[in-house]
Amino acid sequence: EADIYQTPRYLVIGTGKKITLECSQTMGHDKMYWYQQDPGMELHLIHYSYGVNSTEKGDLSSESTVSRIRTEHFPLTLESARPSHTSQYLCASKTRDTNTGELFFGEGSRLTVL
Amino acid sequence: DQQVKQNSPSLSVQEGRISILNCDYTNSMFDYFLWYKKYPAEGPTFLISISSIKDKNEDGRFTVFLNKSAKHLSLHIVPSQPGDSAVYFCAASGNTDKLIFGTGTRLQVFP
Repeated sequence: EADIYQTPRYLVIGTGKKITLECSQTMGHDKMYWYQQDPGMELHLIHYSYGVNSTEKGDLSSESTVSRIRTEHFPLTLESARPSHTSQYLCASKTRDTNTGELFFGEGSRLTVL
Repeated sequence: DQQVKQNSPSLSVQEGRISILNCDYTNSMFDYFLWYKKYPAEGPTFLISISSIKDKNEDGRFTVFLNKSAKHLSLHIVPSQPGDSAVYFCAASGNTDKLIFGTGTRLQVFP
């Protein structure tokens, strides 16, 4: 059973608000990822980190930012939310040992910006 | 340009029958393939994987077949159960460890 947690699960906010989506894992995984998914679409990688103080942008351009100050914590922040940011955000992690191996996903944060 | 394609957005199968979900890829550098299952309002969970050095991997009711020459893989579920109803994502990785996902196939297993 994977131990990766995301909060909030659901968030409805107004345009212009700052939001932070939290992601924590207790497995000691070095690698962490944020994916964005819209209904009927593929998961798009928007940010990833290979360890503390390491963050990279993913394949899909995103206005969000991330930080990795602690191994277990990988929060995602939107400084000024817009309706176009409405989506599901999925956090994932895995060990650093190989390039293979499955990702462990959190339950997701569904964001709606009005 | 989508590198991993799941051309069937949905599939409906009777309980007890075989479910076959298909996935095609375009990048010949992909060497590891995974299937994930996703229920509504939950994150994807890992189901089964296969390395490019194999052409088949089996785990209980789930079998994944890989045809490298056709750049095609399929997931077979037999027998299908109502609890298998979910969205199934195919994913691939190559010389980086970033996973590229398909758009998913919604499987419905009816009694």
